[in-house]
Amino acid sequence: TQLLEQSPQFLSIQEGENLTVYCNSSSVFSSLQWYRQEPGEGPVLLVTVVTGGEVKKLKRLTFQFGDARKDSSLHITAAQPGDTGLYLCAGATGSARQLTFGSGTQLTVLP
Amino acid sequence: SQTIHQWPATLVQPVGSPLSLECTVEGTSNPNLYWYRQAAGRGLQLLFYSVGIGQISSEVPQNLSASRPQDRQFILSSKKLLLSDSGFYLCAWRRDSYNEQFFGPGTRLTVL
Repeated sequence: TQLLEQSPQFLSIQEGENLTVYCNSSSVFSSLQWYRQEPGEGPVLLVTVVTGGEVKKLKRLTFQFGDARKDSSLHITAAQPGDTGLYLCAGATGSARQLTFGSGTQLTVLP
Repeated sequence: SQTIHQWPATLVQPVGSPLSLECTVEGTSNPNLYWYRQAAGRGLQLLFYSVGIGQISSEVPQNLSASRPQDRQFILSSKKLLLSDSGFYLCAWRRDSYNEQFFGPGTRLTVL
């Protein structure tokens, strides 16, 4: 069974600060997704990374896939209260139809 | 474009009662469909997935079952609910490219 470990589990910061969330595994992933979920709603896909070393930017969010495709990070610059939510990483191995989800990082950005 | 629906949005049921949660997808054919359960503020636990009508794979043995009577319909059921069945239930469909999954709005189930 593949495991995806996310850290930190909880993060509370002030508006304007920067932060990084990490997603680590001993498994190699063919693709890795990051989702953001608000209370009472389903997760929303933010980005998919597929190539080792790949970096993708979505406004103030920067996503990086590790060179060995075993880990990923999400960096948020100048966080805003609207960034508050549960961030989940999820990875797919080989041709498997399932995703392995991390345990999530609950981010709170205080105004 | 594709959309995914779940109902009901919330449900409060007594222990021992039956359960039926429904998920439907629009705008795609023969999708892979998934049922997940999520504890508060935590990751997702895969319960069942289906690659086609009548084809169900179970990931976690429990008192829940799933069925896929139509191509774009996925149902989660139980004959007798337990307290431990409380949680947030999410349905998702998978896009083949890069194994991306897209989620419905979820059903909050409380078993009393």
